[in-house]
Amino acid sequence: DTAVSQTPKYLVTQMGNDKSIKCEQNLGHDTMYWYKQDSKKFLKIMFSYNNKELIINETVPNRFSPKSPDKAHLNLHINSLELGDSAVYFCASRNGNTEAFFGQGTRLTVV
Amino acid sequence: GQQVMQIPQYQHVQEGEDFTTYCNSSTTLSNIQWYKQRPGGHPVFLIQLVKSGEVKKQKRLTFQFGEAKKNSSLHITATQTTDVGTYFCAGGSSNTGKLIFGQGTTLQVKP
Repeated sequence: DTAVSQTPKYLVTQMGNDKSIKCEQNLGHDTMYWYKQDSKKFLKIMFSYNNKELIINETVPNRFSPKSPDKAHLNLHINSLELGDSAVYFCASRNGNTEAFFGQGTRLTVV
Repeated sequence: GQQVMQIPQYQHVQEGEDFTTYCNSSTTLSNIQWYKQRPGGHPVFLIQLVKSGEVKKQKRLTFQFGEAKKNSSLHITATQTTDVGTYFCAGGSSNTGKLIFGQGTTLQVKP
């Protein structure tokens, strides 16, 4: 069983569309994250939730809205997609300061 | 805000040569973690260092945490083609739960 699973793996969409990426973890972790990885491999933290509560919200356009229906799920909704949103988005989870487990990533391409 | 800098960004070595990547934080860290991301893959946890001056080894990999807990290094002895990938350090904050990644060092190994 995959510990942290993201869907979809690939997403190609036109500018201006709205899309969602889903993430689920079956590790019983309290904290979940969304990271954006650009073409230069830089992993930029976007959001962090702890037990369904938002604890970290970095400087991210408000077109990005995370939602955590329960502590095992953290979804990311993006409105009015722009070319600059093209990247690989990673979901991750962990407990406290322990190791983080990453999902396989969602490669988003905006055309 | 907290920043984690990592150098070099890229390193090309001949198989059998050694490799080192360095990580520096703008603030004192509660711990430092290292991850490896293979091409097309997701970051995978390698190790965590917690104590000032700590040194840990995993086969050909040696990890160090600085005395001031603001810098760290990863050294690979006698690189192999299987070592190819991007190595990230990540600084943890016990106060905020943030896990901030360095820019990563992409290692290429020529056989």
